[in-house]
Amino acid sequence: EAEVAQSPRYKITEKSQAVAFWCDPISGHATLYWYRQILGQGPELLVQFQDESVVDDSQLPKDRFSAERLKGVDSTLKIQPAELGDSAMYLCASSLFIRGTDTQYFGPGTRLTVL
Amino acid sequence: DAKTTQPNSMESNEEEPVHLPCNHSTISGTDYIHWYRQLPSQGPEYVIHGLTSNVNNRMASLAIAEDRKSSTLILHRATLRDAAVYYCILSALNNNDMRFGAGTRLTVKP
Repeated sequence: EAEVAQSPRYKITEKSQAVAFWCDPISGHATLYWYRQILGQGPELLVQFQDESVVDDSQLPKDRFSAERLKGVDSTLKIQPAELGDSAMYLCASSLFIRGTDTQYFGPGTRLTVL
Repeated sequence: DAKTTQPNSMESNEEEPVHLPCNHSTISGTDYIHWYRQLPSQGPEYVIHGLTSNVNNRMASLAIAEDRKSSTLILHRATLRDAAVYYCILSALNNNDMRFGAGTRLTVKP
């Protein structure tokens, strides 16, 4: 069964450093999502792509976070500079399309620890 | 955005049915009701979704109130592997932008 791939699975960094996370969605999925999940809370949507275009990035802290999906396939989420409060699980998900009935498939996540 | 309200936690005994409630009193006529669950140390996974009618699949059943202001996820025979956080989420007809709440943490006792 096809899966969403994410790397790295774990990342430890010091504050003020730059970090980057990579996501490879299920083949053929047009819509890609990045979520942040703080321990004990539900996932929070950061950015949503339809192919290579950003559909919604209203919750993305744009002063330090950036996301791209240049060829409409895989995607990178970057944080520069990292802050202590960025410690969280970063989840990537994909869906076939953007319709309300389309199932989102999640990857295993990248756990970020900022020291 | 339409919001959902779920109990923080629930307990169940193994092999017994579990009914997980969700209130969504501000749901619009075209919003879909989704349930996802998150096992420990994993990303969320899809469980079931519906619009107006009750739905069944191999994992669970979804019972939707006639006025659509509440729904219930039913696990017919809970197993230890069903221990997870269960999220009830609404999505619009044309955009499955999902806003997760804190969910219900289900504990299954042997």
